[in-house]
Amino acid sequence: GDSVTQMEGPVTLSEEAFLTINCTYTATGYPSLFWYVQYPGEGLQLLLKATKADDKGSNKGFEATYRKETTSFHLEKGSVQVSDSAVYFCALSIDYGGSQGNLIFGKGTKLSVKP
Amino acid sequence: KAGVTQTPRYLIKTRGQQVTLSCSPISGHRSVSWYQQTPGQGLQFLFEYFSETQRNKGNFPGRFSGRQFSNSRSEMNVSTLELGDSALYLCASSPKPRTGSGYTFGSGTRLTVV
Repeated sequence: GDSVTQMEGPVTLSEEAFLTINCTYTATGYPSLFWYVQYPGEGLQLLLKATKADDKGSNKGFEATYRKETTSFHLEKGSVQVSDSAVYFCALSIDYGGSQGNLIFGKGTKLSVKP
Repeated sequence: KAGVTQTPRYLIKTRGQQVTLSCSPISGHRSVSWYQQTPGQGLQFLFEYFSETQRNKGNFPGRFSGRQFSNSRSEMNVSTLELGDSALYLCASSPKPRTGSGYTFGSGTRLTVV
């Protein structure tokens, strides 16, 4: 079936460090890929997305490239800030000929950034 | 523009009871989806409603049900609560169903079953 696997945390970094959170997927159809972020006590917010192979999603300094050959969508940021501390979820949804199915999430990676 | 509103924010129930959670979508959004978030299983899709009809359903037992009203507000119900139902229940709304990233999530209802 369809699934998402992301690196387990927690990940602890110092401010201005480089961030990579690995995400790989298995999909039976044509997936769109997403990264969501969850701050403490809040719901999920869409961080970035990519809908086809080789697309790069970017937002707030975060980037991820849809790699079909390696079935991956790794999240990166060149210089993290304390305010980036949150839980990050990789997700996919399958394209059913113009409409997308429900979101399938990875387990989440907790990021803590220390000053 | 008001976001997705979920009530209550916190609930404590006893095993065997039933519970009803409420979700008010963003104005103009007609699709509402529900997800369960637990430390062990992560985020799992429960169901999606559009125009008062269930359009999609996840792999959960029949104890989990939902409905949507004509004003697009949705409720989910869990009957005969089990300890394992303790979770954060998230609601998400979108203008139409099956839009992948076009969902806006609420802050959730945290249910604790004792």
